[in-house]
Amino acid sequence: QLQLQESGPGLVKPSETLSLTCTVSGGSISSSSYYWGWIRQPPGKGLEWIGSIYYSGSTYYNPSLKSRVTISVDTSKNQFSLKLSSVTAADTAVYYCARHRRTVTTAGWFDPWGQGTLVTVSS
Amino acid sequence: QSVLTQPPSASGTPGQRVTISCSGSSSNIGSNTVNWYQQLPGTAPKLLIYSNNQRPSGVPDRFSGSKSGTSASLAISGLQSEDEADYYCAAWDDSLNGHWVFGGGTKLTVL
Repeated sequence: QLQLQESGPGLVKPSETLSLTCTVSGGSISSSSYYWGWIRQPPGKGLEWIGSIYYSGSTYYNPSLKSRVTISVDTSKNQFSLKLSSVTAADTAVYYCARHRRTVTTAGWFDPWGQGTLVTVSS
Repeated sequence: QSVLTQPPSASGTPGQRVTISCSGSSSNIGSNTVNWYQQLPGTAPKLLIYSNNQRPSGVPDRFSGSKSGTSASLAISGLQSEDEADYYCAAWDDSLNGHWVFGGGTKLTVL
């Protein structure tokens, strides 16, 4: 059964870079049918897609965050990572990683999700 | 101010049927499929419905989805106390080179 686990600092200072890693177990990150995505949820608010990556390194990002986001993949470790630069308090959120299934006819869906990790931006 | 519009709350009594709406536009729901996610308190979202009306393995057939034009709906029949959760719709949006958009979420209360 595929599982995803987020890891990284729970506290980041304003203007610094948030860095998180998602470790995939129970399956290969190099599967051809899947992308791998990051989604976040500010406390008490809704979900926001950050971006997704294919095992080849092909990425696509939320236009509203694109200038600050970098997503990368390490197939040897079965991991993918998120970097969000110049963070502010508005970036405080629970960050989830998820497998992103895409099909020939649809943009797909996110399933399963990691348990999420809370990142607080504060000095 | 989510791109997809959901009612903030919904409620029903055990055994009842409830529906949750999701309204979008021609660039998202109008031209792409809709997914629904269930988020139980304190947990990560879980895929509930994909491709408008498909249920993943393990999701009870009490849950069903539909789409018409630029709107979609999630229906829950035979409401149970364990259905109390937040529900989110999501769709791909073709604008701005494409991106995923979510609804603001609907908190379902089982009375």
